[in-house]
Amino acid sequence: KQEVTQIPAALSVPEGENLVLNCSFTDSAIYNLQWFRQDPGKGLTSLLLIQSSQREQTSGRLNASLDKSSGRSTLYIAASQPGDSATYLCAVSSNFGNEKLTFGTGTRLTIIP
Amino acid sequence: DAGVTQSPTHLIKTRGQQVTLRCSPISGHKSVSWYQQVLGQGPQFIFQYYEKEERGRGNFPDRFSARQFPNYSSELNVNALLLGDSALYLCASSLGQGSFTDTQYFGPGTRLTVL
Repeated sequence: KQEVTQIPAALSVPEGENLVLNCSFTDSAIYNLQWFRQDPGKGLTSLLLIQSSQREQTSGRLNASLDKSSGRSTLYIAASQPGDSATYLCAVSSNFGNEKLTFGTGTRLTIIP
Repeated sequence: DAGVTQSPTHLIKTRGQQVTLRCSPISGHKSVSWYQQVLGQGPQFIFQYYEKEERGRGNFPDRFSARQFPNYSSELNVNALLLGDSALYLCASSLGQGSFTDTQYFGPGTRLTVL
Protein backbone atom coordinates (compact mmCIF):
# COMPACT_ATOMS: atom_id res chain seq x y z
CA LYS A 1 0.00 0.00 0.00
CA GLN A 2 1.42 3.36 -1.06
CA GLU A 3 1.94 5.86 1.74
CA VAL A 4 2.98 9.47 1.24
CA THR A 5 4.55 11.57 3.99
CA GLN A 6 5.23 15.28 4.09
CA ILE A 7 7.52 16.85 6.64
CA PRO A 8 7.30 19.36 8.21
CA ALA A 9 3.56 19.71 8.77
CA ALA A 10 3.98 23.48 9.06
CA LEU A 11 6.68 25.95 8.10
CA SER A 12 7.07 29.71 8.60
CA VAL A 13 9.75 31.70 6.80
CA PRO A 14 10.44 35.41 6.22
CA GLU A 15 9.55 36.90 2.87
CA GLY A 16 12.30 36.65 0.27
CA GLU A 17 13.85 33.45 1.54
CA ASN A 18 14.24 30.32 -0.56
CA LEU A 19 12.66 27.19 0.91
CA VAL A 20 12.30 23.47 0.33
CA LEU A 21 9.28 21.26 1.02
CA ASN A 22 9.76 17.52 1.30
CA CYS A 23 7.68 14.55 0.21
CA SER A 24 8.45 10.85 0.58
CA PHE A 25 6.61 7.78 -0.66
CA THR A 26 6.98 4.11 0.22
CA ASP A 27 6.45 2.39 -3.16
CA SER A 28 8.83 3.53 -5.90
CA ALA A 29 6.64 2.05 -8.66
CA ILE A 30 4.95 5.36 -9.41
CA TYR A 31 3.52 6.64 -12.66
CA ASN A 32 3.97 10.32 -11.89
CA LEU A 33 4.09 12.75 -8.97
CA GLN A 34 2.21 16.02 -8.68
CA TRP A 35 2.55 19.00 -6.38
CA PHE A 36 -0.60 20.93 -5.55
CA ARG A 37 -1.38 24.12 -3.71
CA GLN A 38 -4.51 24.50 -1.55
CA ASP A 39 -5.76 27.75 -0.06
CA PRO A 40 -7.93 27.48 3.08
CA GLY A 41 -11.30 25.87 2.34
CA LYS A 42 -10.60 25.78 -1.40
CA GLY A 43 -9.89 23.21 -4.07
CA LEU A 44 -6.46 22.12 -5.28
CA THR A 45 -4.37 23.93 -7.88
CA SER A 46 -1.87 21.81 -9.79
CA LEU A 47 1.62 23.32 -9.66
CA LEU A 48 3.93 20.77 -11.26
CA LEU A 49 3.74 17.23 -12.59
CA ILE A 50 6.85 15.05 -12.83
CA GLN A 51 6.73 11.91 -14.91
CA SER A 52 8.36 8.85 -13.37
CA SER A 53 11.15 9.02 -15.97
CA GLN A 54 11.98 12.66 -15.18
CA ARG A 55 14.25 14.11 -12.52
CA GLU A 56 12.80 17.62 -12.23
CA GLN A 57 10.31 20.15 -13.52
CA THR A 58 10.37 23.93 -13.30
CA SER A 59 7.67 26.58 -13.45
CA GLY A 60 8.63 30.14 -12.66
CA ARG A 61 9.94 30.31 -9.09
CA LEU A 62 9.05 26.66 -8.47
CA ASN A 63 11.28 23.67 -9.05
CA ALA A 64 10.29 20.10 -8.21
CA SER A 65 12.71 17.20 -8.17
CA LEU A 66 12.07 13.47 -8.10
CA ASP A 67 14.32 10.64 -6.91
CA LYS A 68 12.17 7.61 -7.55
CA SER A 69 14.68 5.06 -6.28
CA SER A 70 14.83 6.68 -2.85
CA GLY A 71 11.13 7.55 -2.80
CA ARG A 72 11.62 11.30 -2.42
CA SER A 73 10.54 14.54 -4.02
CA THR A 74 11.25 18.13 -3.10
CA LEU A 75 9.53 21.37 -4.03
CA TYR A 76 11.87 24.36 -4.09
CA ILE A 77 10.33 27.83 -3.90
CA ALA A 78 12.65 30.71 -4.71
CA ALA A 79 12.31 34.24 -3.36
CA SER A 80 9.19 33.48 -1.33
CA GLN A 81 6.30 35.98 -1.27
CA PRO A 82 3.34 36.40 1.13
CA GLY A 83 1.07 35.14 -1.67
CA ASP A 84 2.85 31.79 -1.49
CA SER A 85 1.21 31.15 1.89
CA ALA A 86 -0.93 28.04 1.48
CA THR A 87 -0.90 24.30 2.10
CA TYR A 88 1.24 22.34 -0.34
CA LEU A 89 0.31 18.74 -1.09
CA CYS A 90 2.20 16.12 -3.01
CA ALA A 91 0.46 13.16 -4.61
CA VAL A 92 1.61 10.08 -6.47
CA SER A 93 -0.15 8.09 -9.15
CA SER A 94 0.77 4.43 -9.11
CA ASN A 95 -1.36 2.75 -11.77
CA PHE A 96 -1.69 3.17 -15.49
CA GLY A 97 -5.33 3.63 -16.42
CA ASN A 98 -6.50 4.11 -12.86
CA GLU A 99 -5.83 7.72 -11.98
CA LYS A 100 -6.02 7.26 -8.23
CA LEU A 101 -3.79 9.80 -6.52
CA THR A 102 -2.38 9.04 -3.09
CA PHE A 103 -1.83 12.28 -1.17
CA GLY A 104 0.35 13.32 1.69
CA THR A 105 -1.16 15.34 4.54
CA GLY A 106 0.48 18.52 3.31
CA THR A 107 2.82 21.23 4.57
CA ARG A 108 1.17 24.46 5.71
CA LEU A 109 3.45 27.27 4.59
CA THR A 110 3.33 30.79 6.03
CA ILE A 111 5.45 33.56 4.52
CA ILE A 112 6.04 36.35 7.01
CA PRO A 113 6.07 39.86 5.43
CA ASP B 1 -12.44 28.12 -20.60
CA ALA B 2 -14.37 27.11 -17.51
CA GLY B 3 -12.61 24.90 -15.03
CA VAL B 4 -14.11 22.02 -13.09
CA THR B 5 -17.36 23.11 -11.46
CA GLN B 6 -19.08 21.55 -8.46
CA SER B 7 -22.44 22.09 -6.85
CA PRO B 8 -23.58 22.87 -4.30
CA THR B 9 -20.80 24.83 -2.59
CA HIS B 10 -21.98 24.04 0.90
CA LEU B 11 -24.46 21.53 2.26
CA ILE B 12 -25.79 20.76 5.73
CA LYS B 13 -27.49 17.44 6.38
CA THR B 14 -28.49 15.39 9.40
CA ARG B 15 -27.43 11.85 10.22
CA GLY B 16 -29.24 9.19 8.21
CA GLN B 17 -30.07 11.48 5.30
CA GLN B 18 -28.88 11.05 1.74
CA VAL B 19 -26.91 13.57 -0.34
CA THR B 20 -26.06 14.03 -4.02
CA LEU B 21 -23.07 16.07 -5.13
CA ARG B 22 -22.50 17.15 -8.73
CA CYS B 23 -19.46 17.79 -10.87
CA SER B 24 -18.94 19.11 -14.40
CA PRO B 25 -15.50 18.42 -15.89
CA ILE B 26 -13.42 20.65 -18.09
CA SER B 27 -14.64 20.59 -21.69
CA GLY B 28 -12.97 17.72 -23.52
CA HIS B 29 -12.12 15.77 -20.37
CA LYS B 30 -13.62 12.31 -20.17
CA SER B 31 -12.40 11.19 -16.75
CA VAL B 32 -13.84 12.29 -13.41
CA SER B 33 -12.51 11.33 -10.00
CA TRP B 34 -13.94 11.98 -6.55
CA TYR B 35 -11.97 12.59 -3.35
CA GLN B 36 -12.91 13.13 0.29
CA GLN B 37 -10.82 15.54 2.34
CA VAL B 38 -11.33 15.56 6.09
CA LEU B 39 -10.05 18.66 7.87
CA GLY B 40 -6.30 18.56 8.34
CA GLN B 41 -5.79 15.55 6.08
CA GLY B 42 -4.90 14.97 2.45
CA PRO B 43 -7.65 14.00 0.00
CA GLN B 44 -8.65 10.32 -0.07
CA PHE B 45 -9.62 8.68 -3.38
CA ILE B 46 -13.26 7.53 -3.61
CA PHE B 47 -14.01 6.78 -7.28
CA GLN B 48 -12.79 7.30 -10.83
CA TYR B 49 -15.08 7.15 -13.87
CA TYR B 50 -14.02 7.17 -17.50
CA GLU B 51 -16.45 7.05 -20.40
CA LYS B 52 -19.27 6.25 -17.95
CA GLU B 53 -17.49 3.18 -16.60
CA GLU B 54 -16.04 2.83 -13.11
CA ARG B 55 -12.29 2.57 -13.44
CA GLY B 56 -11.29 2.66 -9.80
CA ARG B 57 -12.76 2.55 -6.32
CA GLY B 58 -11.16 3.51 -3.03
CA ASN B 59 -11.68 2.03 0.41
CA PHE B 60 -15.10 3.49 1.11
CA PRO B 61 -18.30 1.69 2.20
CA ASP B 62 -21.13 0.82 -0.15
CA ARG B 63 -23.03 3.86 1.12
CA PHE B 64 -20.93 5.77 -1.38
CA SER B 65 -21.86 5.46 -5.05
CA ALA B 66 -21.30 7.48 -8.20
CA ARG B 67 -22.13 7.62 -11.84
CA GLN B 68 -21.06 9.47 -14.96
CA PHE B 69 -23.41 10.77 -17.61
CA PRO B 70 -23.04 10.87 -21.43
CA ASN B 71 -21.89 14.51 -21.21
CA TYR B 72 -19.13 13.32 -18.77
CA SER B 73 -20.60 15.13 -15.78
CA SER B 74 -20.80 13.07 -12.62
CA GLU B 75 -22.76 12.64 -9.41
CA LEU B 76 -21.56 11.30 -6.08
CA ASN B 77 -24.24 9.89 -3.78
CA VAL B 78 -23.84 9.15 -0.12
CA ASN B 79 -26.60 7.31 1.76
CA ALA B 80 -27.26 6.98 5.48
CA LEU B 81 -24.99 9.88 6.36
CA LEU B 82 -22.74 9.62 9.40
CA LEU B 83 -21.07 12.41 11.35
CA GLY B 84 -17.74 11.16 9.97
CA ASP B 85 -18.86 11.93 6.42
CA SER B 86 -18.42 15.64 7.14
CA ALA B 87 -15.66 16.73 4.78
CA LEU B 88 -14.73 18.66 1.67
CA TYR B 89 -15.64 16.57 -1.38
CA LEU B 90 -13.42 17.28 -4.36
CA CYS B 91 -13.97 16.41 -7.97
CA ALA B 92 -11.11 16.19 -10.47
CA SER B 93 -11.17 15.85 -14.23
CA SER B 94 -8.59 14.80 -16.78
CA LEU B 95 -8.36 13.60 -20.35
CA GLY B 96 -8.22 10.06 -19.00
CA GLN B 97 -6.02 8.74 -21.75
CA GLY B 98 -3.39 7.37 -19.40
CA SER B 99 -0.63 9.67 -20.59
CA PHE B 100 2.25 10.24 -18.17
CA THR B 101 1.48 13.95 -18.42
CA ASP B 102 -2.27 13.70 -17.90
CA THR B 103 -2.76 16.24 -15.13
CA GLN B 104 -5.82 16.12 -12.90
CA TYR B 105 -7.60 19.44 -12.44
CA PHE B 106 -9.61 19.91 -9.29
CA GLY B 107 -12.83 21.79 -8.67
CA PRO B 108 -13.48 24.09 -5.68
CA GLY B 109 -15.17 21.32 -3.72
CA THR B 110 -18.44 20.85 -1.85
CA ARG B 111 -18.29 21.33 1.91
CA LEU B 112 -20.63 18.78 3.52
CA THR B 113 -21.54 19.12 7.18
CA VAL B 114 -23.45 16.31 8.87
CA LEU B 115 -25.18 17.20 12.13
